Amino acid sequence: GAVVSQHPSWVICKSGTSVKIECRSLDFQATTMFWYRQFPKQSLMLMATSNEGSKATYEQGVEKDKFLINHASLTLSTLTVTSAHPEDSSFYICSASGLAHTSTDTQYFGPGTRLTVL
Amino acid sequence: AQRVTQPEKLLSVFKGAPVELKCNYSYSGSPELFWYVQYSRQRLQLLLRHISRESIKGFTADLNKGETSFHLKKPFAQEEDSAMYYCALRTGGFKTIFGAGTRLFVKA
Repeated sequence: GAVVSQHPSWVICKSGTSVKIECRSLDFQATTMFWYRQFPKQSLMLMATSNEGSKATYEQGVEKDKFLINHASLTLSTLTVTSAHPEDSSFYICSASGLAHTSTDTQYFGPGTRLTVL
Repeated sequence: AQRVTQPEKLLSVFKGAPVELKCNYSYSGSPELFWYVQYSRQRLQLLLRHISRESIKGFTADLNKGETSFHLKKPFAQEEDSAMYYCALRTGGFKTIFGAGTRLFVKA
């Protein structure tokens, strides 16, 4: 099946620094990628939707200047948490969909990235 | 408002017993509903979708528009079914709203 990877799998950073998380579709071209945030014991909350080559669409309440999303190619999207603070500590998950070899409308999820801001 | 409700945070059943994970949704348009599963230390993966009307790993789910429900059922639970299950509603485009999730624990 289609595989989505995320890097890093976990990261610890100091408050005020920026962190970049990568999401890659390994064996298919992802026309659309999604970024989710998951707090402990809670559900996934959609942060933004990005289409290759265009600006991301952010969900209400998500600061676009704080969570910078770039989807420069059909296999890579990045989420940069700028000036991170402890409240940004969370589990960030990406998913991708597109011209997968099995389906054109299935979302494939990455393993997630655990961000801890000290 | 678009919403997915999974009323049970935890469901514990014995091996071989029937299991039903409840899901209700609120959406004014034509819904596309999914069940996702997340096994321990693994990523989220699609279990089934209502349009396929399929049975995966013995699980089925029927969309009931009258009751706005999409409950997940399996007649005989297995220990390997223990996992976190999320009901999800896809609205316009690919935007997907997830329920809070139900942790299924199948006891031996």
